[in-house]
Amino acid sequence: EAQVTQNPRYLITVTGKKLTVTCSQNMNHEYMSWYRQDPGLGLRQIYYSMNVEVTDKGDVPEGYKVSRKEKRNFPLILESPSPNQTSLYFCASRKRYEQYFGPGTRLTVT
Amino acid sequence: QQPVQSPQAVILREGEDAVINCSSSKALYSVHWYRQKHGEAPVFLMILLKGGEQKGHDKISASFNEKKQQSSLYLTASQLSYSGTYFCGTEGRDNYGQNFVFGPGTRLSVLP
Repeated sequence: EAQVTQNPRYLITVTGKKLTVTCSQNMNHEYMSWYRQDPGLGLRQIYYSMNVEVTDKGDVPEGYKVSRKEKRNFPLILESPSPNQTSLYFCASRKRYEQYFGPGTRLTVT
Repeated sequence: QQPVQSPQAVILREGEDAVINCSSSKALYSVHWYRQKHGEAPVFLMILLKGGEQKGHDKISASFNEKKQQSSLYLTASQLSYSGTYFCGTEGRDNYGQNFVFGPGTRLSVLP
């Protein structure tokens, strides 16, 4: 089954404790991206990657890092999480026209 | 540069029609529409491309006015399953495939 998977689905952590949210897709898509979703703001792009070893900033990249060492994986790294990064995070991969979203990761930073 | 959507929310009875609008301040290459049901991930509905090409959902239609940088999504004879939040997403002419920007969403509720 074609899908985008994210782990973990839920995470509660404390300020400053490094964490990684994994994202993997099995559709051989070159384009992948990360979004955060906050009430009233919609989905905002954090980072995107157009291919292996090619990443670039979206609209809200501050406080996040990504890497793209393999086509299928695109992890999101929060080196020192802060409470304002509490949000719902979605990973997506894209074919020519359509983005396929993962199930989401709900992150709470206390 | 986030596109503007209107209305913010709409409530319908089953069988009624609705129009959701999306406008951008920048020149657009394409407009995408997604629907997100509560607690789920967004799902692709359709894309409208510069030049009039459309690809997507059979039962939902949309328009794209390139000169005004506006798009409208038309939901006719709405069904209960149409409930959810609708997002438009835009790509500028100068950055296709790169920075993708979603609007804030329009919440649609269809009542029996």
